Amino acid sequence: DTGVSQDPRHKITKRGQNVTFRCDPISEHNRLYWYRQTLGQGPEFLTYFQNEAQLEKSRLLSDRFSAERPKGSFSTLEIQRTEQGDSAMYLCASSPGQGPDTQYFGPGTRLTVL
Amino acid sequence: GESVGLHLPTLSVQEGDNSIINCAYSNSASDYFIWYKQESGKGPQFIIDIRSNMDKRQGQRVTVLLNKTVKHLSLQIAATQPGDSAVYFCAEPSYGGYQKVTFGTGTKLQVIP
Repeated sequence: DTGVSQDPRHKITKRGQNVTFRCDPISEHNRLYWYRQTLGQGPEFLTYFQNEAQLEKSRLLSDRFSAERPKGSFSTLEIQRTEQGDSAMYLCASSPGQGPDTQYFGPGTRLTVL
Repeated sequence: GESVGLHLPTLSVQEGDNSIINCAYSNSASDYFIWYKQESGKGPQFIIDIRSNMDKRQGQRVTVLLNKTVKHLSLQIAATQPGDSAVYFCAEPSYGGYQKVTFGTGTKLQVIP
């Protein structure tokens, strides 16, 4: 399978714990995006990488959230001191990075904060 | 700012009939639109896209129509099948060196066997 992959697919944690998600984009895709999706809503943009550079962060991304893409390939999204309001589906997408290009999404990581 | 929205939150269609899902956008400068399909528990899946220099584009059993005059686009699915049951999003990538995609709430398509 050469699509976007995410790990884990599901994560249940207690409030106050830290969690980290991983995203592996499609090979040779320069752009990588993180989105958050709550039930009944469309995905909301969180952050964007062009290669290893994080170029945009949404106001939704509080200081408890941090994302990295150290080698311009896979990316991690960490949430510190999780809150119940962080419960959502976290989606990763990648795109080739040429002009107005199409984003391809991974299956998502479902986070439940108890 | 830009926005995308959908006229109907839920659409029920008989198997074999054609489905039409509508979407309105507000930014007249928008030049690229994407339709995504999202099945339960999965990430959005690319269906078809259209650029503003076109008013119609066809794929396999799907057609997207773009009316720039009224800032409206639609997704038509021919001979709807049970596997088409999903939430459909009209999405608009922003323009400015990167593509932050703005999604609407989505339309849930229910196919009645």
